[in-house]
Amino acid sequence: DAKTTQPPSMDCAEGRAANLPCNHSTISGNEYVYWYRQIHSQGPQYIIHGLKNNETNEMASLIITEDRKSSTLILPHATLRDTAVYYCIVKGDGGNQFYFGTGTSLTVIP
Amino acid sequence: EAQVTQNPRYLITVTGKKLTVTCSQNMNHEYMSWYRQDPGLGLRQIYYSMNVEVTDKGDVPEGYKVSRKEKRNFPLILESPSPNQTSLYFCASSFLPSYLQYFGPGTRLTVT
Repeated sequence: DAKTTQPPSMDCAEGRAANLPCNHSTISGNEYVYWYRQIHSQGPQYIIHGLKNNETNEMASLIITEDRKSSTLILPHATLRDTAVYYCIVKGDGGNQFYFGTGTSLTVIP
Repeated sequence: EAQVTQNPRYLITVTGKKLTVTCSQNMNHEYMSWYRQDPGLGLRQIYYSMNVEVTDKGDVPEGYKVSRKEKRNFPLILESPSPNQTSLYFCASSFLPSYLQYFGPGTRLTVT
């Protein structure tokens, strides 16, 4: 029972914005959405998280729809080092368990 | 330096030979967790712990045991490993209630 749905792969030109979508239609009202990325087989790295408002940090921006059923991670100026697998995750309903899914493999093209 | 460490990083073993993968964090995090990663299946949670002596099953706990006797350590135990437990394993930890998880470097386990 998938908690999040992401496209398996995307390409982005270097220097352009990368917009990675995620559907999380079963998210609970007070659950956050978290984004991580994984470069090769290294440990995943935290990027950003949000509840209902848009969020921005030094790495990325997160846009969450008003109904909270989907979100978009934005890397404003993608570089080659942003080539990675990006995971959108939520906690289980009422629990403390996380569901990563298979993520989106982003390739930044020179 | 704040970090999550795992040992060993690589392990090749045989079916049925008990093994332990250690995980340690130096950030005083309450929450710790184990994940396995397999091609096409992404990361799946095995077990997690909310604090000392508090552990719970994740998505794929069969064949694994954990313990949390100290806050900093969360070992993963395979009492009778089988080839279907060949995988890349990650340990993670976070403060509560943020759940912003820091991941270890991974342990690549092969069971023959």
